[in-house]
Amino acid sequence: DTAVSQTPKYLVTQMGNDKSIKCEQNLGHDTMYWYKQDSKKFLKIMFSYNNKELIINETVPNRFSPKSPDKAHLNLHINSLELGDSAVYFCASSRGGDTQYFGPGTRLTVL
Amino acid sequence: AQSVSQHNHHVILSEAASLELGCNYSYGGTVNLFWYVQYPGQHLQLLLKYFSGDPLVKGIKGFEAEFIKSKFSFNLRKPSVQWSDTAEYFCATSGYSSASKIIFGSGTRLSIRP
Repeated sequence: DTAVSQTPKYLVTQMGNDKSIKCEQNLGHDTMYWYKQDSKKFLKIMFSYNNKELIINETVPNRFSPKSPDKAHLNLHINSLELGDSAVYFCASSRGGDTQYFGPGTRLTVL
Repeated sequence: AQSVSQHNHHVILSEAASLELGCNYSYGGTVNLFWYVQYPGQHLQLLLKYFSGDPLVKGIKGFEAEFIKSKFSFNLRKPSVQWSDTAEYFCATSGYSSASKIIFGSGTRLSIRP
């Protein structure tokens, strides 16, 4: 029973393409997040949704667009992929400011 | 502004050595404090957390951390490390509400020599 799941686990694509990463949590949490982890392991929050509403939107290019169809899902769509988008993207969920539970990550490689 | 500092970027220890990883935070209000661990190739998972009460918090796998309010610190300790503790360790802080951002430190890589 995976608490936070992400698909796909690996994504290799060409520059300029559009791709999506999906995230689902079955913990009944009200808040979901997207993080980007670069090659130096630095973890940067990108977006946060609470009850399907966007509450945190960090300085992220508008090529990145999150979508939350319901409280259990938070998808990330990326347009016009660039080399610098290569990273591991983690989804997470929490109940308010409590412990965050992370998904397994999606390793995105842009060629 | 809310921030978290981890001053040790890479720590190398031998097995059975004692460990202390530093974490300092700045936040204007009441904070939640966390330590997360990321084993090689895996996702982050919670080691321990402090919300209130006893400032000495015990977590999984023999780890503990002490919240010292006067020093704005939440250092992670383990009396005797094992090779399997090799991982990246992240300190984090958040406020109470769902609108609070969780801020992660830059991480400390821990390498244990067998």
